[in-house]
Amino acid sequence: DAGITQSPRHKVTETGTPVTLRCHQTENHRYMYWYRQDPGHGLRLIHYSYGVKDTDKGEVSDGYSVSRSKTEDFLLTLESATSSQTSVYFCAISEPGKNNEQFFGPGTRLTVL
Amino acid sequence: AQKVTQAQTEISVVEKEDVTLDCVYETRDTTYYLFWYKQPPSGELVFLIRRNSFDEQNEISGRYSWNFQKSTSSFNFTITASQVVDSAVYFCAFCPFQIQGAQKLVFGQGTRLTINP
Repeated sequence: DAGITQSPRHKVTETGTPVTLRCHQTENHRYMYWYRQDPGHGLRLIHYSYGVKDTDKGEVSDGYSVSRSKTEDFLLTLESATSSQTSVYFCAISEPGKNNEQFFGPGTRLTVL
Repeated sequence: AQKVTQAQTEISVVEKEDVTLDCVYETRDTTYYLFWYKQPPSGELVFLIRRNSFDEQNEISGRYSWNFQKSTSSFNFTITASQVVDSAVYFCAFCPFQIQGAQKLVFGQGTRLTINP
């Protein structure tokens, strides 16, 4: 299994509070991604990173920011959480040339009350 | 923009039946990848297969087989002699071809498969 961990695994918070989710990898993969999973939508890309301090927006980036200060860590921040951001968040990693396979972390279930 | 459609929201069959999960995609790209992932009740995403658009050969892996037809933009997944352990949500996904670069996967909505004993 690819070495990807996410923390926390579960979080309940209130509307308007800031939340940061962490993704940590031990594979030294260049690319890291954040997706959210919602019923009826599958997984949708929020943001991705192509190197330290290099990030770009995905399909559903509004209300989210990301940072990557080290190769192994990719943080997803909800500056002011809303109920519409209640979801399961998955981190993923990939490395060019490695069979183009994307490995996923275990997920974080976030509930915004 | 690319789009992946899994029209079957839920499927329920009895153990040992064969079942096919449909996946249809839309794209203007001529080269791309298609994927299937399995999400068991425990919640993790398990990679099953990747198919290149320039390789239309069907693939079989044990009880699993995949039928890729570029002419109909479909990449269907068949489980033969289904087992209770096959119960999961299955996702089809698309990614533009990249030798180097980010793989921005576009997922279908998923199909929840229930295998009843």
